[in-house]
Amino acid sequence: DSGVTQTPKHLITATGQRVTLRCSPRSGDLSVYWYQQSLDQGLQFLIQYYNGEERAKGNILERFSAQQFPDLHSELNLSSLELGDSALYFCASSVGAGGSNQPQHFGDGTRLSIL
Amino acid sequence: AQKITQTQPGMFVQEKEAVTLDCTYDTSDQSYGLFWYKQPSSGEMIFLIYQGSYDEQNATEGRYSLNFQKARKSANLVISASQLGDSAMYFCAMRGPRMDSSYKLIFGSGTRLLVRP
Repeated sequence: DSGVTQTPKHLITATGQRVTLRCSPRSGDLSVYWYQQSLDQGLQFLIQYYNGEERAKGNILERFSAQQFPDLHSELNLSSLELGDSALYFCASSVGAGGSNQPQHFGDGTRLSIL
Repeated sequence: AQKITQTQPGMFVQEKEAVTLDCTYDTSDQSYGLFWYKQPSSGEMIFLIYQGSYDEQNATEGRYSLNFQKARKSANLVISASQLGDSAMYFCAMRGPRMDSSYKLIFGSGTRLLVRP
């Protein structure tokens, strides 16, 4: 158990819909990262938050947004869903901003299926 | 741009034998970190081992060791005494460049390891 909690584990929805994925980082971790894992793109970094502030953006679509709340949990919002958004979405956390030898600990992921 | 290359899409190993999973990387940074993660069929990502670019010793964690050859830009994972539970996808990752103020991980395409009884 990594200590990172993601909900829900599975999500099935239709094209055009909007969903929210939730992540609670490990106790004491200030950084939250979101990654997308798909068959064609592999594991791709989406966005990072550190202590409530956006730290960096990766290959995140404009239809996607995220935030980190004062209690450090984070939500990833995906809207106007398309078939290609079907993927495994991971949240990871680390103690600091992620430098030096800090590993990122991953949650179990949310498997999103768009029908 | 930083890049991780894993050239072995799939590998077999006999139970109790050692196996090496290859990873090469490309970066212009002097300071960087290399990680290995395991992804079982159930889907979760499990951190295995870390190697820093300035670490003089190869990292070890139980049955996992990292064969770090800086000049060759390789960071191969060695699993000793393979067990059936080692059957999984293995990803090599690099901590991203500092210049964009993020420490995102850049992942390779992975190697699927199957341990035979």
